[in-house]
Amino acid sequence: GQNIDQPTEMTATEGAIVQINCTYQTSGFNGLFWYQQHAGEAPTFLSYNVLDGLEEKGRFSSFLSRSKGYSYLLLKELQMKDSASYLCAVRGGGGATNKLIFGTGTLLAVQP
Amino acid sequence: EPEVTQTPSHQVTQMGQEVILRCVPISNHLYFYWYRQILGQKVEFLVSFYNNEISEKSEIFDDQFSVERPDGSNFTLKIRSTKLEDSAMYFCASSGVSTTNEKLFFGSGTQLSVL
Repeated sequence: GQNIDQPTEMTATEGAIVQINCTYQTSGFNGLFWYQQHAGEAPTFLSYNVLDGLEEKGRFSSFLSRSKGYSYLLLKELQMKDSASYLCAVRGGGGATNKLIFGTGTLLAVQP
Repeated sequence: EPEVTQTPSHQVTQMGQEVILRCVPISNHLYFYWYRQILGQKVEFLVSFYNNEISEKSEIFDDQFSVERPDGSNFTLKIRSTKLEDSAMYFCASSGVSTTNEKLFFGSGTQLSVL
């Protein structure tokens, strides 16, 4: 089966750093993705990890440990516009597609 | 940047009616998907489509659902006889060639309300 867990909600302060964790159990693994979703809008791509380690992209970084089935998204220098849901998604192994399976998302509220 | 476009943005229908949701994927992409998101819940996979046929579908995608690529650009999702529980945001997505790092690009969604 497929199981992807994230905290439901988090709160952080403008200018601070926040880490959003994701654990997964999937049949096979071909990459982990982080998407941002503002309310009522489409998910937009943030980052991708397929090998262990840290990928940095401006204010956003994502880490993966395949042996632990664990990833985190790190957001630095938080801005009010970062208030959104952050979705962890896994591309499983096998199957005939490149579909992503999404976690429930973490709703981040950035406060002044 | 190229984008996936969906129409309509909102659709209201009566229970039991048929609806067709339309999508234009990014032009050089090869994989097409439909996802749905019930209010307050996670983004759920419905179906993927490649080489003019369904390549994978979830248990949600029952006989009431069908997909079609009627021409070289459009990709449609049809719900034959809508139920109240079909009310959700429906997202179309597309991705490029078959490599594992291909991200999915999502359209802005169609909000379907079944009354």
